[in-house]
Amino acid sequence: SAVISQKPSRDICQRGTSLTIQCQVDSQVTMMFWYRQQPGQSLTLIATANQGSEATYESGFVIDKFPISRPNLTFSTLTVSNMSPEDSSIYLCSVDLGGGYGYTFGSGTRLTVV
Amino acid sequence: AQSVTQPDIHITVSEGASLELRCNYSYGATPYLFWYVQSPGQGLQLLLKYFSGDTLVQGIKGFEAEFKRSQSSFNLRKPSVHWSDAAEYFCAVGAMKTGGGADGLTFGKGTHLIIQP
Repeated sequence: SAVISQKPSRDICQRGTSLTIQCQVDSQVTMMFWYRQQPGQSLTLIATANQGSEATYESGFVIDKFPISRPNLTFSTLTVSNMSPEDSSIYLCSVDLGGGYGYTFGSGTRLTVV
Repeated sequence: AQSVTQPDIHITVSEGASLELRCNYSYGATPYLFWYVQSPGQGLQLLLKYFSGDTLVQGIKGFEAEFKRSQSSFNLRKPSVHWSDAAEYFCAVGAMKTGGGADGLTFGKGTHLIIQP
């Protein structure tokens, strides 16, 4: 399975600012996924990042708020822009290696907006 | 659109007792099904997955799950729970995209497992 390094592991940010979360994978993968887990809730898919093309966003998520970069096959970033306290969540990246391995998740970024 | 229902928000089980966590899904084709566990302050760990073939799948930590197409279910079971099994359990469904590539997962709301001594 893949090893995913996610940075930062946690952060406390002021409202109105932006935070960029990094996700590094030890294998080359075509698709990377970003999820949000609001406090006490389940995971919700934000977007799918395919190397070489624009990210695909799920309903309720927009590029202006959550811009994503995917410069190569092992790295992606998610930016949470113009943050408000409602953005306080755990953000997780995930990859699917295919071949029946299933999806692996990073350890998450715990974001608190004050 | 695909969806996952975990009808039990909380389940309390005595240590050593058997466990079954329910999961029902809605998806138009054969889904890929997963169970993940999340301990407090921890990331998600894959317990087991079903892609095809044998409908009874074995996972880590003594867990198993059975895919029942007729019931659209993928229930998780363990014959004897340990105190360390206390955690949040998520069922998820995904699929391969037409033309290749993977879809993101749709998660259920989770079941919080409490173990009584």
